[in-house]
Amino acid sequence: EAGVAQSPRYKIIEKRQSVAFWCNPISGHATLYWYQQILGQGPKLLIQFQNNGVVDDSQLPKDRFSAERLKGVDSTLKIQPAKLEDSAVYLCASSLTAGGNEQFFGPGTRLTVL
Amino acid sequence: AQRVTQPEKLLSVFKGAPVELKCNYSYSGSPELFWYVQYSRQRLQLLLRHISRESIKGFTADLNKGETSFHLKKPFAQEEDSAMYYCALRRYGGSQGNLIFGKGTKLSVKP
Repeated sequence: EAGVAQSPRYKIIEKRQSVAFWCNPISGHATLYWYQQILGQGPKLLIQFQNNGVVDDSQLPKDRFSAERLKGVDSTLKIQPAKLEDSAVYLCASSLTAGGNEQFFGPGTRLTVL
Repeated sequence: AQRVTQPEKLLSVFKGAPVELKCNYSYSGSPELFWYVQYSRQRLQLLLRHISRESIKGFTADLNKGETSFHLKKPFAQEEDSAMYYCALRRYGGSQGNLIFGKGTKLSVKP
């Protein structure tokens, strides 16, 4: 089966600019996650969707980050405006459901903010 | 607070030597523990989970609730085991399936 798809793979922007990332989960997966991985750290959850509803966005910096999954399939994550400390790899993952299922990760988008 | 600690940033061993990657966790409830691996230029993938109690690619990990540890072990390391390894926990049975990751340990197996 096709894996989790993400685009773009790389993005370089200047601080205060806006950027958007796209994720297409594995077909049939109800749960979608966005993680942020800063260099030298493990991934940290930003937001979790169950179908098109938000389950957990407690660690999402809502003043600048937003995410949506309008039709319960693919998702976009936006940063507006970007800061230097947003430089990281943004990982999308999906699973059949939230509870006990394995999460499958996409290749990630590497964001560099100059 | 929920936390996963991997004390070693880098672990270097020779081929055929035993390897142990340490993981300690802090969690007040019943956690589910995982090891994820990321090989060079590949995506993050599940290696094993404690509830499966299985051996994957020769690796095993036992959950020790008394010591709050979930160390990953392999008796004879291979060069292809070189990768980044992340320990992670999730609240067992919860609807919030998000994982809490450690900072990772880079394993380098030398010929």
